[in-house]
Amino acid sequence: GESVGLHLPTLSVQEGDNSIINCAYSNSASDYFIWYKQESGKGPQFIIDIRSNMDKRQGQRVTVLLNKTVKHLSLQIAATQPGDSAVYFCAFREGQGAQKLVFGQGTRLTINP
Amino acid sequence: EPEVTQTPSHQVTQMGQEVILRCVPISNHLYFYWYRQILGQKVEFLVSFYNNEISEKSEIFDDQFSVERPDGSNFTLKIRSTKLEDSAMYFCASKIVRTDTQYFGPGTRLTVL
Repeated sequence: GESVGLHLPTLSVQEGDNSIINCAYSNSASDYFIWYKQESGKGPQFIIDIRSNMDKRQGQRVTVLLNKTVKHLSLQIAATQPGDSAVYFCAFREGQGAQKLVFGQGTRLTINP
Repeated sequence: EPEVTQTPSHQVTQMGQEVILRCVPISNHLYFYWYRQILGQKVEFLVSFYNNEISEKSEIFDDQFSVERPDGSNFTLKIRSTKLEDSAMYFCASKIVRTDTQYFGPGTRLTVL
C-alpha cells in the first residue's frame, strides 16, 4: 500500500547547527517529492522539491536528497535559525499523471537559542 | 508574491448544516485542490479540479462534498450536511499547468458542533 513515514516525530537542534529530517516512502512508482514547512496556524509552505530523475537538489540553506534504491528522502537545513522552527512534511506524487500528493506524518523541528 | 487566499479563516457550524469554504487560487493557476488536516494528523487529499471538472478524488470525498468554480477567480468546497468528524483544517492549493508544485492557502478551520 501507499505510505509515507517519518523516522523522527520531533527534532531539536541548536541555532546555527545543521538539521536533517528524514522520510521513507513505499511506492516505487512515485516520481515527484516535495517538502513543506508548516508553522502554527498556517498552511503548508513550499520549501523544495525533486523529481525522481534526480538524487540531489539544493536551494537556499536547504538540500533535498533522494535515494530511490531504499525509498528514502531527506531534507537538510544548514545553519538553522529560530524561524526554521516548524513542522516539516514530506509528500510525494504517486506517478506521472497523478494529481494528489500523499503526505507524511510530519516532523516538528525546534531550534534552540 | 501571489498567494492562495481562503475565507473564512474559521467557520463554526452545527451538525447537519451546509457549509461553503471559499478559495481564491493564484491567478494564472489552472489546477485546484482541496486537502484537509484533522488536528494532529497529516494532510489528506480530497479532490483535484481542472478544466471545470474533477480530475481525481479520494474516498473521503463522498456525495456530501462538492466543488465548484463559480467564476473566474473563486474555487469552493461545499459540505452538504456536516458531521462531527468533518471538523478539520481545510486547505486549498493550486498550481500552473505543466508544473508540479502545489501552493497552499492558509486554511479554513471548520468546527462542527
